[in-house]
Amino acid sequence: ETGVTQTPRHLVMGMTNKKSLKCEQHLGHNAMYWYKQSAKKPLELMFVYSLEERVENNSVPSRFSPECPNSSHLFLHLHTLQPEDSALYLCASSQEPGETQYFGPGTRLLVL
Amino acid sequence: DAKTTQPPSMDCAEGRAANLPCNHSTISGNEYVYWYRQIHSQGPQYIIHGLKNNETNEMASLIITEDRKSSTLILPHATLRDTAVYYCIVRVGRNAGNMLTFGGGTRLMVKP
Repeated sequence: ETGVTQTPRHLVMGMTNKKSLKCEQHLGHNAMYWYKQSAKKPLELMFVYSLEERVENNSVPSRFSPECPNSSHLFLHLHTLQPEDSALYLCASSQEPGETQYFGPGTRLLVL
Repeated sequence: DAKTTQPPSMDCAEGRAANLPCNHSTISGNEYVYWYRQIHSQGPQYIIHGLKNNETNEMASLIITEDRKSSTLILPHATLRDTAVYYCIVRVGRNAGNMLTFGGGTRLMVKP
């Protein structure tokens, strides 16, 4: 247990569906992150939030829409995804941006 | 961030020390060496980090050469549960613009 939880753990969705991934951290951290890990590829940073404000967006397609309502919660809204978006989506948090990160267990997403 | 080079895979006998090398010859003076690991289908787990002194915690030891161009992560008594991909990352410690960049890592297989 790292203090970072993610739901759901597994998700199957069609290309026309809309779904959301949820991340919650119980560590009192100020920064939260979304990463994508595709099969046999390194982790890719998607979004970084610091105190609910987005500080980095690594050219992620608009079909991925993050939301950070408070410093403990982070969402990733998904719509009209493609099969190549199938991957493990990982959430992480750190005390401040750029410091040691603690990862959640991830959501394994399959887009059909 | 400085680039790191790690062997793609290593084997280790259970109960023996696992020594995982990392080259970071272009590291700059203010960059830390971080180690994370990722057990199959789980989120990455922070292990240890250091700047120039050797560090030890309950999980591992980190040995950094005097010129800081390479380091070794030591798991003193490897168990089967230490089988994972180990990532060596170098980055400035506290900078919102410098996030973790994961490379390919070393796949450590601990064998009975």
